[in-house]
Amino acid sequence: QVQLVQSGAEVKKPGASVKVSCKASGYTFTSYGISWVRQAPGQGLEWMGWISAYNGNTNYAQKLQGRVTMTTDTSTSTAYMELRSLRSDDTAVYYCARVIAAGHFDYWGQGTLVTVSS
Amino acid sequence: QSVLTQPPSASGTPGQRVTISCSGSSSNIGSNTVNWYQQLPGTAPKLLIYSNNQRPSGVPDRFSGSKSGTSASLAISGLQSEDEADYYCAAWDDSLNGPYVFGTGTKVTVL
Repeated sequence: QVQLVQSGAEVKKPGASVKVSCKASGYTFTSYGISWVRQAPGQGLEWMGWISAYNGNTNYAQKLQGRVTMTTDTSTSTAYMELRSLRSDDTAVYYCARVIAAGHFDYWGQGTLVTVSS
Repeated sequence: QSVLTQPPSASGTPGQRVTISCSGSSSNIGSNTVNWYQQLPGTAPKLLIYSNNQRPSGVPDRFSGSKSGTSASLAISGLQSEDEADYYCAAWDDSLNGPYVFGTGTKVTVL
């Protein structure tokens, strides 16, 4: 069965970086893309970007351009999302999700809480 | 900020029909298909409807989606207690708002 398993919770200081992993199993990793979505406490969903696991092409939300980098390691079927220059408003649960060609997200990771606090 | 607008809340008694609206624009709903996600308390979102009105395997047929112009709707017929959750519409966006946008979210309460 398809599973996306994310790394554990992180606590970071303002200005630091965080790298969240998302290990996929149960399907051919390079046949789908991975999107990252975050949710601040008590807030809605925010799309962060997308990476093709086939060729590494990326597309990031404009507001995060320059601070976010998404990568994949096809040898371990793992996707990564790195966010730099963290601010308090980056505190959120970060989700990875598999992207179907038609453009919807059919499987989601369990979420990773990133807390940014001094 | 979200560019797809949903009512913040909706409610109904068990067995009733509840409808959630999602209002967008020509660059998102008007030119792309709409997806709906359900988020139960404390869990990750789950795909509920894709391509405007398609249900993934395992989603009960009491959930249905529709789209007209720059708006979309999610209907829950025969409301059940386990349907109490947050619901988000989403679509790809061809403008600088995008490329992918979520709705503001609607909290459904079963009375």
